[in-house]
Amino acid sequence: AQSVTQLGSHVSVSEGALVLLRCNYSSSVPPYLFWYVQYPNQGLQLLLKYTTGATLVKGINGFEAEFKKSETSFHLTKPSAHMSDAAEYFCAVSGPLKNQGGKLIFGQGTELSVKP
Amino acid sequence: EAGVTQFPSHSVIEKGQTVTLRCDPISGHDNLYWYRRVMGKEIKFLLHFVKESKQDESGMPNNRFLAERTGGTYSTLKVQPAELEDSGVYFCASSPDRFGNTIYFGEGSWLTVV
Repeated sequence: AQSVTQLGSHVSVSEGALVLLRCNYSSSVPPYLFWYVQYPNQGLQLLLKYTTGATLVKGINGFEAEFKKSETSFHLTKPSAHMSDAAEYFCAVSGPLKNQGGKLIFGQGTELSVKP
Repeated sequence: EAGVTQFPSHSVIEKGQTVTLRCDPISGHDNLYWYRRVMGKEIKFLLHFVKESKQDESGMPNNRFLAERTGGTYSTLKVQPAELEDSGVYFCASSPDRFGNTIYFGEGSWLTVV
């Protein structure tokens, strides 16, 4: 069965520091991978996704993630944290069958705090 | 273009009552999904509609939950009777295809059962 593991339910960084949120997945087939963000009292917003092609994916707000098949990882990074990045971040993988692309399996989420 | 809209945004009901959540997908999106996140847990898939048909309802927790999508447009998710453990946020999402290239989420319906 597919699963997603996000290492660390809470991550705290200083403003201007590197943001690294870890995501590992298990999947029997090449997956689609996603990072979503939820700001306080808002819905889920897509940050970036990997489907095929280039393994380094750039998203909104300066975030990027790299698909590493050998490590079954899709870690999210941002070179310099901003106060507005404080939110909860979710890694997700799509369903195993081609017609299950919208059936996402989510990790447990990582709450990012940014200190001034 | 309007996004995925959900109503109500917040709802507080008593245990044993009924609540109906509504989702309007992006116009033209045949695929509609319901997810939920109960307190302290991860976001979980509930079911998938293709037009008006249930493609996959493997995530529905029990028979107190009923989802419909009349005419392949908007969808409703009814919880009857509501239990305390149903509290959480219910997300709706839509997509123009089944392959997961583009999935758009609504802002969620926050349900509190007291």
